[in-house]
Amino acid sequence: QVQLVESGGGVVQPGRSLRLSCAASGFTFSNYAIHWVRQAPGKGLEWVTIISYDGNIKYYADSVKGRFTISRDNSKNTLYVQMNGLRTEDTAVYYCARDVAGGAYDIWGQGTMVTVSS
Amino acid sequence: HSALTQPPSASGSPGQSVTISCTGTSSDVGGYNYVSWYQQHPGKAPKLMIYEVTKRPSGVPDRFSGSKSGNTASLTVSGLQAEDEADYYCSSYAGSNNYVFGTGTQVSVL
Repeated sequence: QVQLVESGGGVVQPGRSLRLSCAASGFTFSNYAIHWVRQAPGKGLEWVTIISYDGNIKYYADSVKGRFTISRDNSKNTLYVQMNGLRTEDTAVYYCARDVAGGAYDIWGQGTMVTVSS
Repeated sequence: HSALTQPPSASGSPGQSVTISCTGTSSDVGGYNYVSWYQQHPGKAPKLMIYEVTKRPSGVPDRFSGSKSGNTASLTVSGLQAEDEADYYCSSYAGSNNYVFGTGTQVSVL
């Protein structure tokens, strides 16, 4: 079935790095832009970053610009986000989500928890 | 970009209707017809309920409808059912390749 599955979350100290992955199946991954969206514990949703269907265009929220890098490998149907210089305020569940139209996310992963703590 | 403004809570009895507002600016909600609405149950991923202001994805009941006037978008849930109790978030394209979510509304079915 059509799905996205995130992995790579965990507990990390401030200033360290982490790479999240998002594996797609059940659809033609290379046809869609994909976003990362995060949700801090007990808080609302926050858009993080987007990558175009071919990986050539990438944009970031100001809160992560210069620290996070999104990428994709269409041959492996997998999306990544490299998170460097992590801060306590980056603690959240990270979701990958498929863009079906102008920032409408029709398929979401189950989320992976990232905890930044000393 | 500041988050879009939603009321923290809304409620209604079964069978009634509830409308949730989502207020932005002319740079986001008012400037584009790319407003979406999501339903999120506790511990679950969000689910797309409305996109491009008024469109319903396949499988979403027609009890859910969306609209927009100026800088404010709205989601109406008609014929409230127990399973509609959840958090609801709006989102909008905000120009310059940015996207913004609303603050979220907790809907209770009394």
